[in-house]
Amino acid sequence: AQSVTQPDIHITVSEGASLELRCNYSYGATPYLFWYVQSPGQGLQLLLKYFSGDTLVQGIKGFEAEFKRSQSSFNLRKPSVHWSDAAEYFCAVGALETAGNKLTFGGGTRVLVKP
Amino acid sequence: DAGVIQSPRHEVTEMGQEVTLRCKPISGHNSLFWYRQTMMRGLELLIYFNNNVPIDDSGMPEDRFSAKMPNASFSTLKIQPSEPRDSAVYFCASSSRGKDTQYFGPGTRLTVL
Repeated sequence: AQSVTQPDIHITVSEGASLELRCNYSYGATPYLFWYVQSPGQGLQLLLKYFSGDTLVQGIKGFEAEFKRSQSSFNLRKPSVHWSDAAEYFCAVGALETAGNKLTFGGGTRVLVKP
Repeated sequence: DAGVIQSPRHEVTEMGQEVTLRCKPISGHNSLFWYRQTMMRGLELLIYFNNNVPIDDSGMPEDRFSAKMPNASFSTLKIQPSEPRDSAVYFCASSSRGKDTQYFGPGTRLTVL
């Protein structure tokens, strides 16, 4: 069975500073990896996804993530954080089964942005 | 497209009452997922359907929970009887078949008193 670990529960970053959120996964085959963002009181919005090919993936809102198979990681980065990036971020791994795609989510990392 | 639609957005009920949550997936999507989000357990997959057929319900907590998908554009999650520990945000998501992205609805915040 697949699993996802997000080691950081909370991260506080100053506006304009860089941000990196860690994600480690466990899955026996080539994983499908996702990052979602959840603003307070909202549903989850897809930031980016990795299925295959280039291991550096660009997403919306200036985010990118890098798939490192040797480290079983899929860390999310943003060079310069804006106050609107304050939210909770979820990493997920997908298992392509015969009848669908089942996602397993990490516990989330809450990002606070200081002015 | 309107996205995934869930109703109601908020539900407050008393212990023992029946609760029905509703979801309309994105048109053309044939996979539908129900999730529950709590502080203690995070985001958990409860059940998912493919082409209106339940594929995996291993995440359904107990017999008090049931889900149906009578057609491609509608699904319900029912809790009967409800208990305070069922209080959570329930999300519905849909995707095209296969490895495609899941799109989430805004969620239903359920409070059981």
